[in-house]
Amino acid sequence: AQKITQTQPGMFVQEKEAVTLDCTYDTSDQSYGLFWYKQPSSGEMIFLIYQGSYDEQNATEGRYSLNFQKARKSANLVISASQLGDSAMYFCAMRESRYNAGNMLTFGGGTRLMVKP
Amino acid sequence: DSGVTQTPKHLITATGQRVTLRCSPRSGDLSVYWYQQSLDQGLQFLIQYYNGEERAKGNILERFSAQQFPDLHSELNLSSLELGDSALYFCASSPGPSGELFFGEGSRLTVL
Repeated sequence: AQKITQTQPGMFVQEKEAVTLDCTYDTSDQSYGLFWYKQPSSGEMIFLIYQGSYDEQNATEGRYSLNFQKARKSANLVISASQLGDSAMYFCAMRESRYNAGNMLTFGGGTRLMVKP
Repeated sequence: DSGVTQTPKHLITATGQRVTLRCSPRSGDLSVYWYQQSLDQGLQFLIQYYNGEERAKGNILERFSAQQFPDLHSELNLSSLELGDSALYFCASSPGPSGELFFGEGSRLTVL
């Protein structure tokens, strides 16, 4: 079973509008972390936002917010006021506590976001 | 700029060859991770080192090996290369054995 599922291979959004990128996860751990990374066409992986499983409030970082619904096991990324520079691949990732000897992330398949002017 | 440096950025080689990818973590970071990003497998964790010792292992092939040196830089060695090894190889670092990962820009390997 997929641990991280991103069901939207590609999405369009109009510049200045908000967009939600979906992410669902599967884990039996109580303690875990969820990450979103952005990968522009140049290839680098840019950290956007983090949510811990015990965090009671949704994480926010500037125009990025994470809509964390623990019971549904979803961690959707919301980008407000989209900009042309937001066009990129977006990856959701999870770190599980069972791997407490390490810090490896499991990544979803990604969503390609295209912002239209 | 994440502070993680990877060399080379691009590498083209032939099947059966061996290559070494190098990673310098952010200053002060003790953990180094290697990830492989290919079209068919997506982003996959390969291996983690913490302060010179192997910490966790993922889907790393036996033809691949890695190490972290006393100065904390790391090398990923890929041998007996196959066409399917063509991928973007990322190095990431973090201050400790857990925490946020900072990725380098990747080394794009093309095996012909």
